[in-house]
Amino acid sequence: ETGVTQTPRHLVMGMTNKKSLKCEQHLGHNAMYWYKQSAKKPLELMFVYSLEERVENNSVPSRFSPECPNSSHLFLHLHTLQPEDSALYLCASSQDPRQSYGYTFGSGTRLTVV
Amino acid sequence: AQSVTQLGSHVSVSEGALVLLRCNYSSSVPPYLFWYVQYPNQGLQLLLKYTSAATLVKGINGFEAEFKKSETSFHLTKPSAHMSDAAEYFCAVFMRGGTSYGKLTFGQGTILTVHP
Repeated sequence: ETGVTQTPRHLVMGMTNKKSLKCEQHLGHNAMYWYKQSAKKPLELMFVYSLEERVENNSVPSRFSPECPNSSHLFLHLHTLQPEDSALYLCASSQDPRQSYGYTFGSGTRLTVV
Repeated sequence: AQSVTQLGSHVSVSEGALVLLRCNYSSSVPPYLFWYVQYPNQGLQLLLKYTSAATLVKGINGFEAEFKKSETSFHLTKPSAHMSDAAEYFCAVFMRGGTSYGKLTFGQGTILTVHP
């Protein structure tokens, strides 16, 4: 399998639940990213991982907790979310975090918080 | 700081008509610019990118964009729209986030509708 794969594609969770989003890339890239895409708002960068080290946390609330155990996998652990956290969460990867080659995106996880 | 602004959140064209999606950038250094497309329930797909090699950049699906420094613009065009072009289009700029990495910052997006 090639590209960037995100699971699950859809997730409905209550505000007291704990869940995780998973992202896997098969491209040999060295950087991975989480973006949030809400209706009527620009894509928001949440986290940047370069060579498995978190290099940016873009003022994201602590109820979102990222994890990058190796260069191929990225997780976003969710707990005590709010309805306004409902959005499409996109994972992306890039070959070299310092270079402008462009990103490869997954298809996203559509999250609904009820 | 570098940023991009997309003019027009919605553009509607007839099939076969010219497509023009506007993007202006703000940057104190030569920018690296991108156009992405997002189809419903999909992630973003790279259409084309400008990295200073040539001002007219050709991408996939017949799209192209021209970098105009004097106008700080990077508009996306396609001579003849097809129904399958209906999607949301994002302009983006690559920014340095630190010494060891950079990041893509996106515009607000433009939804393209194509009428028969």
